[in-house]
Amino acid sequence: DGGITQSPKYLFRKEGQNVTLSCEQNLNHDAMYWYRQDPGQGLRLIYYSQIVNDFQKGDIAEGYSVSREKKESFPLTVTSAQKNPTAFYLCASSGRQGSDEQFFGPGTRLTVL
Amino acid sequence: GESVGLHLPTLSVQEGDNSIINCAYSNSASDYFIWYKQESGKGPQFIIDIRSNMDKRQGQRVTVLLNKTVKHLSLQIAATQPGDSAVYFCAESNQAGTALIFGKGTTLSVSS
Repeated sequence: DGGITQSPKYLFRKEGQNVTLSCEQNLNHDAMYWYRQDPGQGLRLIYYSQIVNDFQKGDIAEGYSVSREKKESFPLTVTSAQKNPTAFYLCASSGRQGSDEQFFGPGTRLTVL
Repeated sequence: GESVGLHLPTLSVQEGDNSIINCAYSNSASDYFIWYKQESGKGPQFIIDIRSNMDKRQGQRVTVLLNKTVKHLSLQIAATQPGDSAVYFCAESNQAGTALIFGKGTTLSVSS
């Protein structure tokens, strides 16, 4: 999976709880991204970060938060404000923002019970 | 708004046939396009990419064609194999050049 790890692979949470998904890369990439994928759908951008200590909202940022304290790490928190959090979450990184290949992790499948 | 779409959600072919997966994009200013393959329960894998200053690019058994006039992108897979069965996504760079916009995907099924 191209030097990007995501953990855990499966995650279960109760309604009303916050949960944090981990994403780590050892590719020395500046840019990192979080996507959400629902069954039979494409990838929708949640947040992205072009550099340490900076990040921008994507198309569906409501109910999510991120941090980028280290170049290698870009954790995503799914908060209780996210109305429908059950989905497959994918993290990616790229050497340059936007106009470059993104390398994806294996994904985390989050299920809200 | 910006969007990337595919013409067909599913494509079924016989082993050994050539496959063509199509994609229409809306942002005429996009300068970068990419195709990914995603197997069930896994992250997308890079197949091939192309920049807007090119019309065609070839890889191993795959070719990407870019028609900027009609904003159309296609992926051709030669001698399709059962292992090619997956969902294929096209993506384009967004207007700001800061992220990729993904289409909904085409499911390719290869029967032997």
